[in-house]
Amino acid sequence: DSGVTQTPKHLITATGQRVTLRCSPRSGDLSVYWYQQSLDQGLQFLIHYYNGEERAKGNILERFSAQQFPDLHSELNLSSLELGDSALYFCASNGDYGTDNEQFFGPGTRLTVL
Amino acid sequence: AQKITQTQPGMFVQEKEAVTLDCTYDTSDPSYGLFWYKQPSSGEMIFLIYQGSYDQQNATEGRYSLNFQKARKSANLVISASQLGDSAMYFCAIVPGFGNEKLTFGTGTRLTIIP
Repeated sequence: DSGVTQTPKHLITATGQRVTLRCSPRSGDLSVYWYQQSLDQGLQFLIHYYNGEERAKGNILERFSAQQFPDLHSELNLSSLELGDSALYFCASNGDYGTDNEQFFGPGTRLTVL
Repeated sequence: AQKITQTQPGMFVQEKEAVTLDCTYDTSDPSYGLFWYKQPSSGEMIFLIYQGSYDQQNATEGRYSLNFQKARKSANLVISASQLGDSAMYFCAIVPGFGNEKLTFGTGTRLTIIP
């Protein structure tokens, strides 16, 4: 158990809908990263938050948004869903700069868009 | 930009044999970290081993060791005495600096251990 939790574990929804994925980092970790794993794109970085602020953005679609709350949990919002958004979404966390090398991954949320 | 190349899409290895999974990388960052993660069929990403670019010695963690050749830009994972539970996808990844940046992953190698 990495200490990172993600809910829900599975999500099935229809095209055009909106969903919210939730991530709670390890206790004390300030950084949260979101990754998308799909069959055609592999594992891709979406966005990084550090202590509530956005630090870096990857190939994140404009239909997707994220935030990190004062209690450090993070949410990834996916809207106007398309079939191609079906994927496994991971969040990962680690600690302060220079002290933590490893990113600890949550179990993932498997999103299926029908 | 950073890039990871894993050229072995799939490998079959006899149980108890050692196996080497290849990883080459490309980066212009003066310091960086290299990771290996294991993803079993259940889907979770399990950290295996880390190598910093300035580490003098190759990293080892139990049955896992990292054959780091900086001049060749390679960071191969060696699993000794393979077990059936080692069957999984294995991903090599790189991060600039000390780890508080995004991970860039390779395409992975699917390892199957044959009894």
